[in-house]
Amino acid sequence: DQQVKQNSPSLSVQEGRISILNCDYTNSMFDYFLWYKKYPAEGPTFLISISSIKDKNEDGRFTVFLNKSAKHLSLHIVPSQPGDSAVYFCAASYTGANSKLTFGKGITLSVRP
Amino acid sequence: GAGVSQTPSNKVTEKGKYVELRCDPISGHTALYWYRQSLGQGPEFLIYFQGTGAADDSGLPNDRFFAVRPEGSVSTLKIQRTERGDSAVYLCASSPQGFNEQFFGPGTRLTVL
Repeated sequence: DQQVKQNSPSLSVQEGRISILNCDYTNSMFDYFLWYKKYPAEGPTFLISISSIKDKNEDGRFTVFLNKSAKHLSLHIVPSQPGDSAVYFCAASYTGANSKLTFGKGITLSVRP
Repeated sequence: GAGVSQTPSNKVTEKGKYVELRCDPISGHTALYWYRQSLGQGPEFLIYFQGTGAADDSGLPNDRFFAVRPEGSVSTLKIQRTERGDSAVYLCASSPQGFNEQFFGPGTRLTVL
């Protein structure tokens, strides 16, 4: 049973435009959410996170939005760059630091020059 | 500073053999995690160490899998009587005490023939 779902396996956007990557979760006990980026043959790299007490967190070109009532979060990348082309994983964890992460299946983002 | 390192980067073995996978966490990180990523899936949690002890081993699939971290730094994941279904990328991550974000190594690609 997938507790974190990334229903779109891929996304293609034009360079300079906005990329919106979506993620849904089913477990209401999750209260911390993270996005990781992964290039081929490398491990996932932490990108941005958000606590359930917030609904938005921004870091440069990356913004994560959290809608707790809908159990939905999204990652916005503006403007998108070709170097952003990678697999993006949404992950969730429970209260308390140092708890395990539950990942979605990932979305492959392609940014066209 | 140095990131998480994992050795070997690739391991090919035959069904029924024993394998050991090694993880060197970031210096000073007390928390260490093992995940397994199969093709087309996100990483799946296996085990979490806080210091030398396994704080959560709920993700280990069966008793053929075992992990140790005897001195609270380097960890070894051990798989006995390997099966073809064990083929995957095994990822290690570490984090400082009190952090939600985990920092991943490049992974070990295990292939069981």
